Amino acid sequence: KQEVTQIPAALSVPEGENLVLNCSFTDSAIYNLQWFRQDPGKGLTSLLLIQSSQREQTSGRLNASLDKSSGRSTLYIAASQPGDSATYLCAVETSGSRLTFGEGTQLTVNP
Amino acid sequence: SQTIHQWPATLVQPVGSPLSLECTVEGTSNPNLYWYRQAAGRGLQLLFYSVGIGQISSEVPQNLSASRPQDRQFILSSKKLLLSDSGFYLCAWSEGAFFDDSPLHFGNGTRLTVT
Repeated sequence: KQEVTQIPAALSVPEGENLVLNCSFTDSAIYNLQWFRQDPGKGLTSLLLIQSSQREQTSGRLNASLDKSSGRSTLYIAASQPGDSATYLCAVETSGSRLTFGEGTQLTVNP
Repeated sequence: SQTIHQWPATLVQPVGSPLSLECTVEGTSNPNLYWYRQAAGRGLQLLFYSVGIGQISSEVPQNLSASRPQDRQFILSSKKLLLSDSGFYLCAWSEGAFFDDSPLHFGNGTRLTVT
């Protein structure tokens, strides 16, 4: 059974700082890994999707890496802003049409 | 562009009452549709998914059911709600039969409180 762990559970940083969120998974036989953002009381917004054959994806100030063999992914946020405050979740697909989610990292960026 | 609509946004229902949550997707055809539940302090749990009209796969045994009467409509139902059904319910869609390079798109969710 796939298990996804995100560390830390919560993170508070000053504005402008670069930061890294971590995601690990137990079964390396994945199709892809996705990072999502969730604002309080809202649905999830897809940020980045990394296919199993890829090692990283970039979108603006966000960079996600994937090391499938070690079961790890990181989400790097450059020059953090207060608007980045949200919960970030990673999810992996290990069989068709099923994602396993981590419990998320709650990020607070202080002005 | 594709959009997903989910309603209602919040719902308070007594124990034993029925439930019907609706989700519709616009701007795409034959999407994969999903119902997730997010309980406080827990990750997202997949409840149901559908790859086509009338095709429903259940991931977790429970007193909930799902139906897909139309290509872009997904309904989550219960005949009698339990206190443990309280949570944040999210509908989602993706293109094609597998995710591959197609991300998952979520609705804004329904906050259900069973009293």
